[in-house]
Amino acid sequence: DSGVTQTPKHLITATGQRVTLRCSPRSGDLSVYWYQQSLDQGLQFLIQYYNGEERAKGNILERFSAQQFPDLHSELNLSSLELGDSALYFCASSVGRASGGPGEQYFGPGTRLTVT
Amino acid sequence: AQSVTQPDIHITVSEGASLELRCNYSYGATPYLFWYVQSPGQGLQLLLKYFSGDTLVQGIKGFEAEFKRSQSSFNLRKPSVHWSDAAEYFCAVGAYSGAGSYQLTFGKGTKLSVIP
Repeated sequence: DSGVTQTPKHLITATGQRVTLRCSPRSGDLSVYWYQQSLDQGLQFLIQYYNGEERAKGNILERFSAQQFPDLHSELNLSSLELGDSALYFCASSVGRASGGPGEQYFGPGTRLTVT
Repeated sequence: AQSVTQPDIHITVSEGASLELRCNYSYGATPYLFWYVQSPGQGLQLLLKYFSGDTLVQGIKGFEAEFKRSQSSFNLRKPSVHWSDAAEYFCAVGAYSGAGSYQLTFGKGTKLSVIP
């Protein structure tokens, strides 16, 4: 158990809908990262937050957005869903540093999203 | 931009045999390197990391990896594989992405099958 929790574990929804994925980082971790894992694209970094502020963006679509709340939990919002958005979505957390220095990331169990 | 190549998509070994999973990276500066393991339906678990210092690093579950700067490689090894090691293994490079942030770029993964 990494200490990172994600809900829900599975999500099935229809095209055009909007969903919210939730992540609680390990106690004391300030950085939260979101990743998408699909068979064709592999593991892709989406976005990072550090202590409530967006820190880095990766291959995140404009239909996707995220935020990190004062209690440090994070939510990933996916809207206007398409069949191709079906994937595993992982959240990871790390201690993080104001300078953005390296640190190991601990991954949650993921949310499996199926868009029908 | 950084990249990671894992040349072997799928490897099969017999239980008790030795294992080496290959990883090559591309990054202009000193990399931060990681190996993660993902069991079916699970999140990613950190096996080991290299930040600096000794180029041979030890990890959990009896794994080790060697950083070779001249070959831009960070191969994962285990002297004797157990059936429970069957999983998918991901190599990742952590690199600064500007604005005081750093992010992980993952390889496509190597799936390990173990024959009893």
